[in-house]
Amino acid sequence: QQQVKQSPQSLIVQKGGIPIINCAYENTAFDYFPWYQQFPGKGPALLIAIRPDVSEKKEGRFTISFNKSAKQFSLHIMDSQPGDSATYFCAASKPGYALNFGKGTSLLVTP
Amino acid sequence: GAVVSQHPSWVICKSGTSVKIECRSLDFQATTMFWYRQFPKQSLMLMATSNEGSKATYEQGVEKDKFLINHASLTLSTLTVTSAHPEDSSFYICSALPSEHSTDTQYFGPGTRLTVL
Repeated sequence: QQQVKQSPQSLIVQKGGIPIINCAYENTAFDYFPWYQQFPGKGPALLIAIRPDVSEKKEGRFTISFNKSAKQFSLHIMDSQPGDSATYFCAASKPGYALNFGKGTSLLVTP
Repeated sequence: GAVVSQHPSWVICKSGTSVKIECRSLDFQATTMFWYRQFPKQSLMLMATSNEGSKATYEQGVEKDKFLINHASLTLSTLTVTSAHPEDSSFYICSALPSEHSTDTQYFGPGTRLTVL
C-alpha cells in the first residue's frame, strides 16, 4: 500500500519554468517530509526537507510548500535548468523510521 | 557533509551464488541503517531495517533467509544475497540515520547494481 502518493508521473518544462510536484499522505504520525533527487544509476540525494510545523521552506531554487490540514506537500523548482532533469521523489517518515517514498516524478527541462 | 559509501558499485554473478554488499557511513555513526531495492523506473522499496547489535527487521514479503543483514558496528552494515537468481537483479541502496537524535535526515549510499545471470 502506497503511503505517499506522488504526481505527476512525468513532467516536461522549458528552461526557466517552474515545475511543481505534488505529494499527499495519510498517516498523521509522519513528521518528516524530504524530497530527493536521483540521477540514473545513482543513489538519491537529499534536496530539501520540512516538518509539519512549517508551511514553507526555501533552499536556493527549491521550495517546499506544506499543508498540514490537507496532508499535502509540494516541491517547486524555480528557474529550472536542463541540469535539473532527473527523477524526484517525495517521502515521509515517523521519527527514526524508514522513509516511505512516493513513486517518483521524471522531470525533463528542455533548453 | 555526511557520506555513505557502498561496495561494490556493481556486481555480476552467476545464478545460485551469493553476493555481499557493504554499506559504510564514513564520517558519522549510524545506529540504524536501511536497505532499499529499486527496480528500473520504479521507486525505492524498503527491504529491511538494520540496527547495530541486533537482528534486522524485514518488511513483509522479504525473505530474511535469502537477504542476510549484519550490522556489526556503528559504521558498517552488510547485505548478503544468498543463492541469487535473475529475479534478484536490481539496484540495492542503503541509507544511514546518524545516531545523534537531533536529525531525521537519512543519507543514502550511491547504490549497488546487481545483475544475476
